[in-house]
Amino acid sequence: RKEVEQDPGPFNVPEGATVAFNCTYSNSASQSFFWYRQDCRKEPKLLMSVYSSGNEDGRFTAQLNRASQYISLLIRDSKLSDSATYLCVVPSSGTYKYIFGTGTRLKVLA
Amino acid sequence: ETGVTQSPTHLIKTRGQQVTLRCSSQSGHNTVSWYQQALGQGPQFIFQYYREEENGRGNFPPRFSGLQFPNYSSELNVNALELDDSALYLCASSPRQGTYNEQFFGPGTRLTVL
Repeated sequence: RKEVEQDPGPFNVPEGATVAFNCTYSNSASQSFFWYRQDCRKEPKLLMSVYSSGNEDGRFTAQLNRASQYISLLIRDSKLSDSATYLCVVPSSGTYKYIFGTGTRLKVLA
Repeated sequence: ETGVTQSPTHLIKTRGQQVTLRCSSQSGHNTVSWYQQALGQGPQFIFQYYREEENGRGNFPPRFSGLQFPNYSSELNVNALELDDSALYLCASSPRQGTYNEQFFGPGTRLTVL
């Protein structure tokens, strides 16, 4: 099993839709989690940090399910500008190694 | 507040050559990490530097080496370049070491090995 797994997509959704991505991780000792957004040929930009059960920022909600070892990202009222790749990051417990998933591609359609 | 900067933006090298990539961390950040991102993949952790010492390394061979300077800027050196080294190299800084801390990325250096 990969340390961090994401569905690569693409997820094609209409404007205004609600879309959710999951990210599963193998290290049950992980304590912090991050979602990054990456536009084509650009650097990843921090979207949200998750240290406990979840986090919410405007249209974006991240939730952590420790029992099933996954984190989710929910985007409500999708905008065209939300089109990007969303990367899940799970730091490796006991080391300083950050492990990225392969990313989930989202395309919001007009 | 100045963000993370990297140089050069693009680089073309041939197999067997050596390359040095540079990174200036965000103001106030003392920890720098380097990542390699191949096309269609997520970034892969190369190593992290804190207080001028390497304190974490991913699955990369010794020909990948680095430095951190007293001003927290950093270099990534790759010797004996191989075709598979072609990738986007990303530098990220954080205010402290440790896996709880958010990392902020520079724009990257795109390396092409011919």
